[in-house]
Amino acid sequence: GAGVSQSPRYKVAKRGQDVALRCDPISGHVSLFWYQQALGQGPEFLTYFQNEAQLDKSGLPSDRFFAERPEGSVSTLKIQRTQQEDSAVYLCASGGRVQETQYFGPGTRLLVL
Amino acid sequence: GNSVTQMEGPVTLSEEAFLTINCTYTATGYPSLFWYVQYPGEGLQLLLKATKADDKGSNKGFEATYRKETTSFHLEKGSVQVSYSAVYFCALSAISGSRLTFGEGTQLTVNP
Repeated sequence: GAGVSQSPRYKVAKRGQDVALRCDPISGHVSLFWYQQALGQGPEFLTYFQNEAQLDKSGLPSDRFFAERPEGSVSTLKIQRTQQEDSAVYLCASGGRVQETQYFGPGTRLLVL
Repeated sequence: GNSVTQMEGPVTLSEEAFLTINCTYTATGYPSLFWYVQYPGEGLQLLLKATKADDKGSNKGFEATYRKETTSFHLEKGSVQVSYSAVYFCALSAISGSRLTFGEGTQLTVNP
């Protein structure tokens, strides 16, 4: 079956521009996670949804970052007034209710100039 | 807080060599432990996992044993191939199904 998909795969933004990153999880998966991966580093947790409820957003680095999952399926991560330090790969992962395995998408590579 | 420490890379091996990538963790309670692999241009793929002490996770000839006494989860492979060249990440989940905490990753290059 289809895995987790993300779009766009690459995004170049000018500093101060707003961006929106999309994640399509595996069909039926309840849990959805966003991670940020800086170059040469491991992924860092940003936020977590169970269905449409955002249960943990403690990893969002600032109030410029906002995530939503209004119908409990597709999720969007929005970054307002992008800064150069926002340049990273943004990974989305989804998981079933009782399983611990998270299945990752290919990521969106964001470059802020 | 929870943390994961991996051996520094990059690691360069010849084909058929034995692979060990060290991983130690800090966590309260009894976390679940994972190894993920990331091939160039691709997302993270689960390689193996272990959910309780003394469990051995295994997949495609890779193995790792959950050692609570040494808080370790070292990855081993008996004979590597060029196709195993990738970045390997050790990770933990403090509560079942919850957020993952990753190590910094170890770049493995296998030469023919």
